[in-house]
Amino acid sequence: DARVTQTPRHKVTEMGQEVTMRCQPILGHNTVFWYRQTMMQGLELLAYFRNRAPLDDSGMPKDRFSAEMPDATLATLKIQPSEPRDSAVYFCASGREPGQPQHFGDGTRLSIL
Amino acid sequence: GENVEQHPSTLSVQEGDSAVIKCTYSDSASNYFPWYKQELGKRPQLIIDIRSNVGEKKDQRIAVTLNKTAKHFSLHITETQPEDSAVYFCAASNPSGTYKYIFGTGTRLKVLA
Repeated sequence: DARVTQTPRHKVTEMGQEVTMRCQPILGHNTVFWYRQTMMQGLELLAYFRNRAPLDDSGMPKDRFSAEMPDATLATLKIQPSEPRDSAVYFCASGREPGQPQHFGDGTRLSIL
Repeated sequence: GENVEQHPSTLSVQEGDSAVIKCTYSDSASNYFPWYKQELGKRPQLIIDIRSNVGEKKDQRIAVTLNKTAKHFSLHITETQPEDSAVYFCAASNPSGTYKYIFGTGTRLKVLA
């Protein structure tokens, strides 16, 4: 059963530190999404890639967040510098094609002290 | 802008009863509508989806109905069980745009034994 893999699963760090979250999409999927979720709230889209090209990052605070896909098997989300309000669960999802079901990873639970 | 409204925000039912969650979307071009179930501390998982060329879809105890004219779709769970307790999210996707999902704000379903 193919799954989206996210690392790390948990991250605790102090404010001001750089945080890097990684995602390995399901092999063959060409769309990748980054979402943020706080306290079981709704899913906030941060960034969206198709064939490794960024299509939409309008939901991402540009001054401190950045998202990249260095290759088809790796997507990264970086926060620099991190702030306590960034504490949340960050989910990566991938889909085979645009408009096809998105499959979520297990998330990275981030705590900024 | 694009918007998906989801109601109710919380729902409690007795075990064995039915549960209905409703979503309304704003973009008439949306043509794909997935439903996700998220258990506490877990990732959202796709449970059922429907495309705009279909009015209803059923999978065992869950079903989804779509009314394109009214721009709303609903999730129906029959014979509810305690393991159905979770947060349910609806979403709408527009293929002529960026294909990203617009998620509803979630419904917390509690099935009382």
